[in-house]
Amino acid sequence: DGGITQSPKYLFRKEGQNVTLSCEQNLNHDAMYWYRQDPGQGLRLIYYSQIVNDFQKGDIAEGYSVSREKKESFPLTVTSAQKNPTAFYLCASSSKSDKINEQFFGPGTRLTVL
Amino acid sequence: ELKVEQNPLFLSMQEGKNYTIYCNYSTTSDRLYWYRQDPGKSLESLFVLLSNGAVKQEGRLMASLDTKARLSTLHITAAVHDLSATYFCAVVYGGATNKLIFGTGTLLAVQP
Repeated sequence: DGGITQSPKYLFRKEGQNVTLSCEQNLNHDAMYWYRQDPGQGLRLIYYSQIVNDFQKGDIAEGYSVSREKKESFPLTVTSAQKNPTAFYLCASSSKSDKINEQFFGPGTRLTVL
Repeated sequence: ELKVEQNPLFLSMQEGKNYTIYCNYSTTSDRLYWYRQDPGKSLESLFVLLSNGAVKQEGRLMASLDTKARLSTLHITAAVHDLSATYFCAVVYGGATNKLIFGTGTLLAVQP
């Protein structure tokens, strides 16, 4: 089945630690995105990548880093510089080959800082 | 600054009633999406609206887009409990980068 997977589903982090969230897609999509969702709020864009080995900052990139070494994978690292990382993180991907360019979302990772 | 505003933020409805959720956005865009989110879950795509006057319907939900007014509506007809969820609209910005900016969401609770 084609889709987007994220792991882990739940993640607990101690203050001062870096953690990496995984996002994999087998939809052959060129573009991938990371969003953060806080309780009762909409999604905010952290980073996005249009092509392998290239990525750009979104609206709230501070304290986060990404890489895009493979088309299928777009991992997100939450660094110790992120002051309030507890949130629900969603990865998405989209194809650039059609006008709709709809973004499809993974199941999410819920990160809690202890 | 690009803003996307939804109202109401919370909507409690009785089964069988009709209601409309509104989504206003502050800049021109060629695409608008509606998503549904169940508690603790990811986003499920409902509608993609591509042009002025576009109307899409699926079951008890109907979405429309007025690009001149920068307004989209999500109309619920004869609500049922299964429609209880949070509904988001999202507007494309940034041209070819396909970035989305989301509204704050409308939490819909359908009471029996």
